[in-house]
Amino acid sequence: GDSVTQMEGPVTLSEEAFLTINCTYTATGYPSLFWYVQYPGEGLQLLLKATKADDKGSNKGFEATYRKETTSFHLEKGSVQVSDSAVYFCALIGGGAQKLVFGQGTRLTINP
Amino acid sequence: GAGVSQSPRYKVAKRGQDVALRCDPISGHVSLFWYQQALGQGPEFLTYFQNEAQLDKSGLPSDRFFAERPEGSVSTLKIQRTQQEDSAVYLCASSLYSGPYNEQFFGPGTRLTVL
Repeated sequence: GDSVTQMEGPVTLSEEAFLTINCTYTATGYPSLFWYVQYPGEGLQLLLKATKADDKGSNKGFEATYRKETTSFHLEKGSVQVSDSAVYFCALIGGGAQKLVFGQGTRLTINP
Repeated sequence: GAGVSQSPRYKVAKRGQDVALRCDPISGHVSLFWYQQALGQGPEFLTYFQNEAQLDKSGLPSDRFFAERPEGSVSTLKIQRTQQEDSAVYLCASSLYSGPYNEQFFGPGTRLTVL
């Protein structure tokens, strides 16, 4: 079945550092890809998405590009802030499906 | 406008008890999903409704789990004869329509602890 693998955490960075969180997927057909974020004490929120190959999703300074050839959707941000501290989940919806399939999550901590 | 709400936010049950978890989706949202999130893991799909029709229940882990959405709005997830392995956060999400182009909005979850 469809699956998502993301880099294990926790990840700890200093403010203004460059961030990459790796995500790879296995899916039949042509999935749509997502990054969700869970801030402390809050519910899951959609951060960005891409629905076809080579699409780039972006939001709040975060970017991720749908790479079909490497089955990847890595999350990047050029300069992180303390407020970016959260748990990040990579996810997909498989072709023809409705449900989200999530990775295990990566806890990110940004120190001032 | 109000988002997805869930109640109770926390539930402690003794092993063997039955529990009922409620989800109020965003008004007018056709699709409703239930997910289970174990500690330190990503959410896992349980079941999906389109209006009142339960179109996919492939993720329900056993016949002790039952979900309903009788009027196409509020949904209830019921767990009978709870076991310790049922301890998790149960998340509800709704979307205007189904499919990957429609954002799923998540509620805050119900944290279930089975003693």
